[in-house]
Amino acid sequence: EAQVTQNPRYLITVTGKKLTVTCSQNMNHEYMSWYRQDPGLGLRQIYYSMNVEVTDKGDVPEGYKVSRKEKRNFPLILESPSPNQTSLYFCASSLSNGGDYEQYFGPGTRLTVT
Amino acid sequence: GESVGLHLPTLSVQEGDNSIINCAYSNSASDYFIWYKQESGKGPQFIIDIRSNMDKRQGQRVTVLLNKTVKHLSLQIAATQPGDSAVYFCAENAKKGYNKLIFGAGTRLAVHP
Repeated sequence: EAQVTQNPRYLITVTGKKLTVTCSQNMNHEYMSWYRQDPGLGLRQIYYSMNVEVTDKGDVPEGYKVSRKEKRNFPLILESPSPNQTSLYFCASSLSNGGDYEQYFGPGTRLTVT
Repeated sequence: GESVGLHLPTLSVQEGDNSIINCAYSNSASDYFIWYKQESGKGPQFIIDIRSNMDKRQGQRVTVLLNKTVKHLSLQIAATQPGDSAVYFCAENAKKGYNKLIFGAGTRLAVHP
């Protein structure tokens, strides 16, 4: 089944404790992206990757890191989480960065930073 | 499930009625638009898209209308069903040649029997 998977689905952590949220897609997609979703704000892009070893900042990159060492994986790293990073996170992938390809979203990761 | 729409505008309709969800987009240079549906506890799911050289596109029970003059997008759902209850987001591609989507805040659709 074609899908985007994220782990963990739920995470409660404390301020400053490094964490990684994994994202994996099995569709051989070139383009992957991370979003955060907050009430009333819709989805905002954190980082995106157009292919292996090619990443760039989205609209809200502060406090986050990403890597793209393999085509299928695009982990999101929070080196020192803070409470304002409490949010619902989605990973997405699409065939290409051509601008008219459907993005497939993962199920989401609910992160709470205390 | 995850709460994604605590403060969203809500459209309430009766089962079987037609629904119209509206969206104002921000960038007059945007060339591609998408409607997504998000059910509780799930990620957004593609419904229908439209390019800027079109003003209407139809899918199964759904129609998207694009009015570039006033930067307005609408999603029409025919014969709304309880399974259509969800939060609906419009998105515009803000950077031509790149998959750079800007999402609206969303509208909750509540379908009543």
